[in-house]
Amino acid sequence: GAVVSQHPSWVICKSGTSVKIECRSLDFQATTMFWYRQFPKQSLMLMATSNEGSKATYEQGVEKDKFLINHASLTLSTLTVTSAHPEDSSFYICSARSNNVAAYNEQFFGPGTRLTVL
Amino acid sequence: RKEVEQDPGPFNVPEGATVAFNCTYSNSASQSFFWYRQDCRKEPKLLMSVYSSGNEDGRFTAQLNRASQYISLLIRDSKLSDSATYLCAVVNEKLTFGTGTRLTIIP
Repeated sequence: GAVVSQHPSWVICKSGTSVKIECRSLDFQATTMFWYRQFPKQSLMLMATSNEGSKATYEQGVEKDKFLINHASLTLSTLTVTSAHPEDSSFYICSARSNNVAAYNEQFFGPGTRLTVL
Repeated sequence: RKEVEQDPGPFNVPEGATVAFNCTYSNSASQSFFWYRQDCRKEPKLLMSVYSSGNEDGRFTAQLNRASQYISLLIRDSKLSDSATYLCAVVNEKLTFGTGTRLTIIP
């Protein structure tokens, strides 16, 4: 099956620092990747859609200058949380949509990154 | 109205029981439908896709009712290992999740 990795799996940082999270599709190419955030006991909320070679599309209420997304290749997207604050503490999950037409509507999820901002 | 609505539960059912979840969606143009399972502090894992003709995989059966705009998941002969949160998801340009239903199977 298609595998998506995320790094790091968890991070603890001080308020005001920036944190970069990587999302990689290991055995398939993904023009489109997605970044979700999940607060405790809540569902996954889509933050942004990351498109290789173009600007990301952000959901309403998500600050694009705070959550920087770069999708530089068909297998890698990065999310940088700039000047992180305690309210940014959450579980960040990426997913990748395969370029394989047969599996086009299926998304493959990474294992998630748990961010704690002190 | 939320795009995807789900009863958050929790559902506490005895081992061996049958349990059913429903999920409604608001956009009639939605294209694809899924059930995911999420364990605590883990990513969601695809359980099954949902089709109008019904989809069965062992003890799990999923159904789509386009006329009433809902999808369902039935778990028969529930096992302790079925305890998890079950999320429905609907694709309409993007994948939108329901809030998830917490299921606990009691020995």
